[in-house]
Amino acid sequence: GQQLNQSPQSMFIQEGEDVSMNCTSSSIFNTWLWYKQDPGEGPVLLIALYKAGELTSNGRLTAQFGITRKDSFLNISASIPSDVGIYFCAGPAGGTSYGKLTFGQGTILTVHP
Amino acid sequence: NAGVTQTPKFQVLKTGQSMTLQCAQDMNHEYMSWYRQDPGMGLRLIHYSVGAGITDQGEVPNGYNVSRSTTEDFPLRLLSAAPSQTSVYFCASSYSILPPNEKLFFGSGTQLSVL
Repeated sequence: GQQLNQSPQSMFIQEGEDVSMNCTSSSIFNTWLWYKQDPGEGPVLLIALYKAGELTSNGRLTAQFGITRKDSFLNISASIPSDVGIYFCAGPAGGTSYGKLTFGQGTILTVHP
Repeated sequence: NAGVTQTPKFQVLKTGQSMTLQCAQDMNHEYMSWYRQDPGMGLRLIHYSVGAGITDQGEVPNGYNVSRSTTEDFPLRLLSAAPSQTSVYFCASSYSILPPNEKLFFGSGTQLSVL
């Protein structure tokens, strides 16, 4: 099935540092979604992207829809301890199959105070 | 608002037992889905429903059954549990499958262990 590859798989950073992660696909996507999962909870939507080149912010988080439509990026500025969790990218399976969301394998973020 | 409610939170089964994971949403969402989460594999779609009476298979449907008799409820049935079904299960719903209303709201998960 359709795969989304996230990089890096895990990150260990100091509080206050900036974070960058990305998600790539072999297929073109029309939508990119970024979710965060806190320990013991379900994922929560952070940012949704719908147009190639689109840059969208949510507080300290900024995400971009790649120009090629095969990748997306998430940046977190000035990290804080509550940023700890797993970050997932997601999109419609095969790039256009709405109703079937495909998720990446996640980036595990650890923030040291 | 309750949002998406999953029960139970934890469950231990023996191989061959059957059980139903419950999922209910109070947001009048048409779309509901079940995912399983395994370490290093992200979330994989099991089954989904675009409305009452309509269900379809996702990426990993084998060993699971679903039905959607009401808008609110979308139970997931394990007919004969196997150790490979040990996982964390998430139910999710959204207003629509089309953007910009396709954003999924997730329950808090059911941790299932099959011995």
